[in-house]
Amino acid sequence: AQTVTQSQPEMSVQEAETVTLSCTYDTSESDYYLFWYKQPPSRQMILVIRQEAYKQQNATENRFSVNFQKAAKSFSLKISDSQLGDAAMYFCASHLYGGATNKLIFGTGTLLAVQP
Amino acid sequence: GAVVSQHPSRVICKSGTSVKIECRSLDFQATTMFWYRQFPKQSLMLMATSNEGSKATYEQGVEKDKFLINHASLTLSTLTVTSAHPEDSSFYICSAALAGATHYEQYFGPGTRLTVT
Repeated sequence: AQTVTQSQPEMSVQEAETVTLSCTYDTSESDYYLFWYKQPPSRQMILVIRQEAYKQQNATENRFSVNFQKAAKSFSLKISDSQLGDAAMYFCASHLYGGATNKLIFGTGTLLAVQP
Repeated sequence: GAVVSQHPSRVICKSGTSVKIECRSLDFQATTMFWYRQFPKQSLMLMATSNEGSKATYEQGVEKDKFLINHASLTLSTLTVTSAHPEDSSFYICSAALAGATHYEQYFGPGTRLTVT
C-alpha cells in the first residue's frame, strides 16, 4: 500500500525567512507524481507545486521549491522569503501513474505559522 | 482556468433528512471526480471516485447506500447524504481531474460544511 508521511504536525517561521517541510512516501511504483497542496483557513485546497518522479530536476515555483530524493523517497518543500499569506496547512500527496488506482494519497499535514 | 465550484458552501439539516451537494467543473471537462471528507485539523479522507457515466468506486468503510454519488455529465457530480445523522457532520470536498491530462492533478472545490442537528 502506498503511504505518505509528514512528521512535522506544526512548524513556525519568521517572516522573510526560509522553512522546509518534510515528506516521505512509500511506493513500489517507478513512475508517479508528487504534489504539495496548501489549505489556508478558507479551506480551499491550492496546488503549490508538482514533481514528476521520472524527472531528476527539482521543481520550482517562484518562492517554492522541492528537494526530491527518489532513492530515499523523500519530497520536502522549501518556502523562501516566507510571507504572512503562506500561513496554512500544507499537505504532501502522491499519485500512482496509470493502472486501476487513480487517486491521491495525502499525508497528515503540517500546520505552518508565519510570525511577523 | 480549472475552477471547481461546490454548492452549497454550508448546509444545516435535521437528522433523518437527505442533503445533496453539487460539484461542478466550470471551465473544463472532468472525466473523474473525487469526494473527500475532512474532519477538523485532519487530512482529507477519500470517500469515492466518480467517473462520468459509470458507478462510483467507494473506499473501504464508506457506505455506498448512505453516500450516493452521481456523475451524470463531464462537468457535474453530486453527493447525496441520505438519512443524515449528527455523525455525518463534516467538511466535504470534491475535486476534479482534467480529462486527457497526464499529470493527474486534481482541482479542488471550496468545500461544503454539513451540520446535522
